[in-house]
Amino acid sequence: QVQLVESGGGLVKPGGSLRLSCAASGFTFSDYYMSWIRQAPGRGLEWVSYISSSGSTIYYADSVKGRFTISRDNAKNSLYLQMNSLRAEDTAVYYCARDGVAFDIWGQGTMVTVSS
Amino acid sequence: QSVLTQPPSVSAAPGQKVTISCSGSSSNIGSNYVSWYQQLPGTAPKLLIYDNNKRPSGIPDRFSGSKSGTSATLGITGLQTGDEADYYCGTWDSSLSAGLYVFGTGTKVTVL
Repeated sequence: QVQLVESGGGLVKPGGSLRLSCAASGFTFSDYYMSWIRQAPGRGLEWVSYISSSGSTIYYADSVKGRFTISRDNAKNSLYLQMNSLRAEDTAVYYCARDGVAFDIWGQGTMVTVSS
Repeated sequence: QSVLTQPPSVSAAPGQKVTISCSGSSSNIGSNYVSWYQQLPGTAPKLLIYDNNKRPSGIPDRFSGSKSGTSATLGITGLQTGDEADYYCGTWDSSLSAGLYVFGTGTKVTVL
């Protein structure tokens, strides 16, 4: 079935790095734009980054610009988020989401905790 | 800080109706389609409404959406205990001061 599965979350110290992955299955991954969306504990949803189907168009939220890098490998049906210079305020569950008719498919999320 | 404002909470008895408002501006709701997402406790968000008023396959017609000017509304009729969740509106934003995509502040629905 149509599915997104995130991985790569964990505990990291402030200033550290982490790479999240999102494995897609059940649909033609290369046809869809994709986004990363995060949710801090007890807080609302925050859009983080977006990548077009070919990877040629990328956008970031101001809060992560210059620190995070989104990418994709259509041959591997995978989406990535490289997170550098992590801060405490980046602590959140990170979801990947398919941009079909709106964000129509979401993964289960992966938790990122930034703490010393 | 979200640019789309929702009431923090709404509540009603089983079988009743609730409405959730989402207030924005001309750079977001006023010029783009609105979507609504349901987040049950401990789970990932799920798409409920897209393009202001369309329901994905599998979403019951108890859920409805509308938009007028710079505001949007989600309606839930025949409220059920399984509808207890957080609900978020979302849309694209063309303002340089906002993120490319913005979500509402979220509304918690309680079934009394």
